[in-house]
Amino acid sequence: AAGVIQSPRHLIKEKRETATLKCYPIPRHDTVYWYQQGPGQDPQFLISFYEKMQSDKGSIPDRFSAQQFSDYHSELNMSSLELGDSALYFCASSLRSVGRLSYEQYFGPGTRLTVT
Amino acid sequence: AQSVTQLDSQVPVFEEAPVELRCNYSSSVSVYLFWYVQYPNQGLQLLLKYLSGSTLVKGINGFEAEFNKSQTSFHLRKPSVHISDTAEYFCAVSERHGNKLVFGAGTILRVKS
Repeated sequence: AAGVIQSPRHLIKEKRETATLKCYPIPRHDTVYWYQQGPGQDPQFLISFYEKMQSDKGSIPDRFSAQQFSDYHSELNMSSLELGDSALYFCASSLRSVGRLSYEQYFGPGTRLTVT
Repeated sequence: AQSVTQLDSQVPVFEEAPVELRCNYSSSVSVYLFWYVQYPNQGLQLLLKYLSGSTLVKGINGFEAEFNKSQTSFHLRKPSVHISDTAEYFCAVSERHGNKLVFGAGTILRVKS
């Protein structure tokens, strides 16, 4: 079965550079979530989108922005990178039934960002 | 706001022994509960979930968990572990009227031969 695809899998950037992470949800899934997992930490929710609209926002820095496109893929844009941004970034997707909120999220393999 | 507490950061256990990974949560609203497993350098895989109904839920790889509303717990159990179960396990909650996941700090299960 098709899974969530994230690209790139690994990314090395220098401080103050920008990075763009991409997420392709499971086909027909309409909701995308982004999580950040620092070294030895639990995943922290950043932001989510449903039908191309932002649906919830967590602890996402102002230097980061994200959007969901018409084909439901999503991109997380990160600017003015800092050493502390080094982490594993997960994308998850889910499907919302009509009249119900989604509850089961399927995770991609993650993008490991290293800021030097 | 919800929070999740995983009481053990690491659990060492011998192969074929039973194991229980503890998870407690707090929330002012009803929640959905999940256990995810993360193998080294991999993503998060859903083990099992509790949405409603029977408080004992069975998942993949022989794992099960029991929802206890009065104790606000959702402990994960397996009667006999294998070396291949060595991984980090995350308990997570999601509000019924929201959908972001709030994770616990994780428990590293180390299965020894």
